[in-house]
Amino acid sequence: DQQVKQNSPSLSVQEGRISILNCDYTNSMFDYFLWYKKYPAEGPTFLISISSIKDKNEDGRFTVFLNKSAKHLSLHIVPSQPGDSAVYFCAASAEGAGKSTFGDGTTLTVKP
Amino acid sequence: DTGVSQDPRHKITKRGQNVTFRCDPISEHNRLYWYRQTLGQGPEFLTYFQNEAQLEKSRLLSDRFSAERPKGSFSTLEIQRTEQGDSAMYLCASSRRNQGSYGYTFGSGTRLTVV
Repeated sequence: DQQVKQNSPSLSVQEGRISILNCDYTNSMFDYFLWYKKYPAEGPTFLISISSIKDKNEDGRFTVFLNKSAKHLSLHIVPSQPGDSAVYFCAASAEGAGKSTFGDGTTLTVKP
Repeated sequence: DTGVSQDPRHKITKRGQNVTFRCDPISEHNRLYWYRQTLGQGPEFLTYFQNEAQLEKSRLLSDRFSAERPKGSFSTLEIQRTEQGDSAMYLCASSRRNQGSYGYTFGSGTRLTVV
């Protein structure tokens, strides 16, 4: 039973355009949702997060949207840059719980 | 802040051998996590510590796996009698106690290949 799902294994966009990465979850106990970015041969790097009491969080070119009723979140990157090409993982955790549950990732390719 | 360090970066071992990995977290972080990642999948939780106490262990983790964090600083993950299915990237991460929305800091991982 995969509690966090990223249904698109890959996404390709043109430089300067918007990238939208999607994530769905099933556990309504999750309180925090996080996005990580991973380059080859490196560990994931924390990118941005959102609390379940909010529906939007923005940090520079990155915005995360949360739709609790649909149990869906998305990461928007605008404008996309070639250096954004990486694997993006969605993760979720519950308040007080130590662990995060990760999706299987979406590989983003930004073409110059 | 030197980040999270993992050693070794790569390990090739024969089936049936024991292996041990080490993780040095960020010094101010009192939580330490071990995850495993296989190709095409996201990190899968194995276990985590708060200081020296092991607070949770995945029920998917067989008895061949054991982790320690003896003084609340570095941690070791040991796999006994390795099997080919143990081949994966083993990731260590650390965080402050109330991780919440702040996320983990991951190390670069140890890639294990069992032949």
